[in-house]
Amino acid sequence: AQSVTQPDIHITVSEGASLELRCNYSYGATPYLFWYVQSPGQGLQLLLKYFSGDTLVQGIKGFEAEFKRSQSSFNLRKPSVHWSDAAEYFCAADQTGANNLFFGTGTRLTVIP
Amino acid sequence: NAGVTQTPKFRVLKTGQSMTLLCAQDMNHEYMYWYRQDPGMGLRLIHYSVGEGTTAKGEVPDGYNVSRLKKQNFLLGLESAAPSQTSVYFCASSRHQGTYEQYFGPGTRLTVT
Repeated sequence: AQSVTQPDIHITVSEGASLELRCNYSYGATPYLFWYVQSPGQGLQLLLKYFSGDTLVQGIKGFEAEFKRSQSSFNLRKPSVHWSDAAEYFCAADQTGANNLFFGTGTRLTVIP
Repeated sequence: NAGVTQTPKFRVLKTGQSMTLLCAQDMNHEYMYWYRQDPGMGLRLIHYSVGEGTTAKGEVPDGYNVSRLKKQNFLLGLESAAPSQTSVYFCASSRHQGTYEQYFGPGTRLTVT
């Protein structure tokens, strides 16, 4: 069955530290992959997306993600976290040609001074 | 541009009552979606539409109906609300499927008592 897994429910990092949020997918073929961010009380905003080509993709707000086919992973990274990055982060996958965007369960990021 | 707007922002219903959630987008997008977000479960697709006059079922369609009479509007109806439908509902729209970003509204928090 198709699925997107985010193994970390909650992560706490210090401001200025690096960040990596994990995402694994289970699909027959490589799907389109996305990372969205949700600030408290807000809708979701797209951070970045991967369709094909270069496996390292750059997004907004200084985020990047690396697609690793061998590990079925699409991990989100940021070299230096800011207090404003505190939010919930969702990985999502869209099987090519389908209309159903599957979301992971999300990772809540807390940033401490 | 307002983007994607949702009405109402909050609502409390009693079991068995009915209501309609309105989603409007001003980006001339073909595709529109309704999701529900529950703690620990991420977002799940309820119904979607690939164009005016069309609707299709998503992952969790039971207990909901939708209509897309105008391209810019997508209505989600609950005919007989149940406590299990307590959730936060998000509407989204996109130019097309797959590679195109979905733009999300701010959400409607619904409580069914």
